[in-house]
Amino acid sequence: DTAVSQTPKYLVTQMGNDKSIKCEQNLGHDTMYWYKQDSKKFLKIMFSYNNKELIINETVPNRFSPKSPDKAHLNLHINSLELGDSAVYFCASSQLRNTEAFFGQGTRLTVV
Amino acid sequence: EDKVVQSPLSLVVHEGDTVTLNCSYEVTNFRSLLWYKQEKKAPTFLFMLTSSGIEKKSGRLSSILDKKELFSILNITATQTGDSAIYLCAGATNAGGTSYGKLTFGQGTILTVHP
Repeated sequence: DTAVSQTPKYLVTQMGNDKSIKCEQNLGHDTMYWYKQDSKKFLKIMFSYNNKELIINETVPNRFSPKSPDKAHLNLHINSLELGDSAVYFCASSQLRNTEAFFGQGTRLTVV
Repeated sequence: EDKVVQSPLSLVVHEGDTVTLNCSYEVTNFRSLLWYKQEKKAPTFLFMLTSSGIEKKSGRLSSILDKKELFSILNITATQTGDSAIYLCAGATNAGGTSYGKLTFGQGTILTVHP
């Protein structure tokens, strides 16, 4: 059983396109996150949702829009993709009162 | 801005060696310090440290936190090739405010263990 699952695992797309990455967790956690890992392997938080409510929004371009239909899902939609968006995007979840986060396998996005 | 710095950035050792990885942090409203191991894919959780001076152990790995010096170390004894990975350290924020649950990661230490 996969605890935090993301789809797709790989995504290659052209500049200017719009794409979505889906994330689901079956751990019963109430908080979900999106992290971006750049080419230097630096993991940085983008968004956090608690019970479908946005609680963290780091300085991320408006082209990135997270959506949480329920507390087990947090999707990431990216408009007008740019070359600099190429990275690995990780979804994670935790229980709000416990900071131990569990990560998905990542989505490697390549914008050409 | 919260900051976590790890050293060394990379380390190459031979099987059987002991390594010490360092992590210093400046995190507002600090709650805990976490260590993760990242091989090819997702970071996997190793330790969470909340109190100073209490060593956590799991097999050949151990870690300790110093909240006065804002520092943590991760020790790996009798290293094996399977220990080769990126080791990530992260500072977690406490309850309240808009940063609850946020993990601020360091840049990682790339450990390579040769046979």
